[in-house]
Amino acid sequence: GAVVSQHPSRVICKSGTSVKIECRSLDFQATTMFWYRQFPKQSLMLMATSNEGSKATYEQGVEKDKFLINHASLTLSTLTVTSAHPEDSSFYICSAPAIEGTYEQYFGPGTRLTVT
Amino acid sequence: QKEVEQNSGPLSVPEGAIASLNCTYSDRGSQSFFWYRQYSGKSPELIMSIYSNGDKEDGRFTAQLNKASQYVSLLIRDSQPSDSATYLCAVRWGEEFYFGTGTSLTVIP
Repeated sequence: GAVVSQHPSRVICKSGTSVKIECRSLDFQATTMFWYRQFPKQSLMLMATSNEGSKATYEQGVEKDKFLINHASLTLSTLTVTSAHPEDSSFYICSAPAIEGTYEQYFGPGTRLTVT
Repeated sequence: QKEVEQNSGPLSVPEGAIASLNCTYSDRGSQSFFWYRQYSGKSPELIMSIYSNGDKEDGRFTAQLNKASQYVSLLIRDSQPSDSATYLCAVRWGEEFYFGTGTSLTVIP
């Protein structure tokens, strides 16, 4: 089946630093990828839609200058959390629709970010 | 406002029983419906997708969709302890997916 990878799986950083998370589609091309955030015992919240070759589309309330998204190629999207603060600590998950026309999304394994 | 609602549970069923998970959604324009399973600390895993009214069966899982009632459900037959997880309902509107808060299922051996 379709595989989406994320790197790193876990990261601990100090407050004020920036963290980059990579999302790759391993055996298919993805013109669109989605970035979600999940706090403990809560559901996934869509942060933004990453579009290859154009700007990302951010959900209401998500700061685009803080969460920088770059869809560099048909297999890679990156999310950079800039000037991270403890409240940014969360589980970040990317996904991509793998099969044209079905809209079935496949999720990466997630990145656990802890900001100290 | 597009909303996807699920009973958060927890839902407990004995091993071998049928687990029934329910989901309602707010917008009749929604086109595709999905059930994901999420183990603690892991990302969601796609179980079923359903696009038209009626039932869709895959092994022990059956998804049921009723667009008139804006309702989608997931039945798990012969529940196993390994089915214990949080089940997320997702609905697609255009290019975006919206998730319910998930139902926690525990299958008791």
